[in-house]
Amino acid sequence: EVQLVESGGGLVQPGGSLTLSCAASGFTFSDYEMNWVRQAPGKGLEWVSHIMSTGSPRHYAGSVEGRFTIYRDNAGNSLYLQMNRLRVEDTAIYYCVRDGAGYQSRGEDWGRGTLVAVSS
Amino acid sequence: QTVVTQEPSLTVSPGGTVTLTCASSTGAVTSGYFPNWFQQKPGQAPRALIYNTNNRHSWTPARFSGSLLGGKAALTLSGVLPEDEAEYYCLLYYGGVQPWLFGGGTKLIVL
Repeated sequence: EVQLVESGGGLVQPGGSLTLSCAASGFTFSDYEMNWVRQAPGKGLEWVSHIMSTGSPRHYAGSVEGRFTIYRDNAGNSLYLQMNRLRVEDTAIYYCVRDGAGYQSRGEDWGRGTLVAVSS
Repeated sequence: QTVVTQEPSLTVSPGGTVTLTCASSTGAVTSGYFPNWFQQKPGQAPRALIYNTNNRHSWTPARFSGSLLGGKAALTLSGVLPEDEAEYYCLLYYGGVQPWLFGGGTKLIVL
């Protein structure tokens, strides 16, 4: 069974930093592309970042480009999102998301999410 | 700035058929946008339904089908059940630096 467990969320002040982690199990982590997707309270989904199975290339939404960094540890079956210069509008549930093996199968498995709250 | 547009809400009767659409501000949605569809119920993480326009996942009920319709991506639910009441999101591929965009979501009400 595929399991994706996010951690590292919490309350942080504007301008602060936070690193999210995602522990993956139940599949060969190094074979799959991974993403972070977020959802602000009461709002829709926003794709944040994507990383290829090998670790590159990486892609980012324009709203986080230059502030967030996605990376992975294939030996440790973990995905990360380093978030710097956080803004109030970054407040959201952040989901760790695995793409599928099928061609252009996106978001096949989701974690439960971790809440990031940016507030003074 | 590219925008992906979905109907904010739709209402359907149990047993009925409803089509949700997904439009791109860049023009007609084609198979090259590889539309994906997701269902999200309150308090839950999203669940994938359709990938690459019209491919169901193994867990996706046959009453869900994906297609291209009138320059948009479409998700059709036939024989709607009360449990299909949920928010539905499409995801389109644009390539380049920021490859994927979600639509704003459609709240499907089964009444």
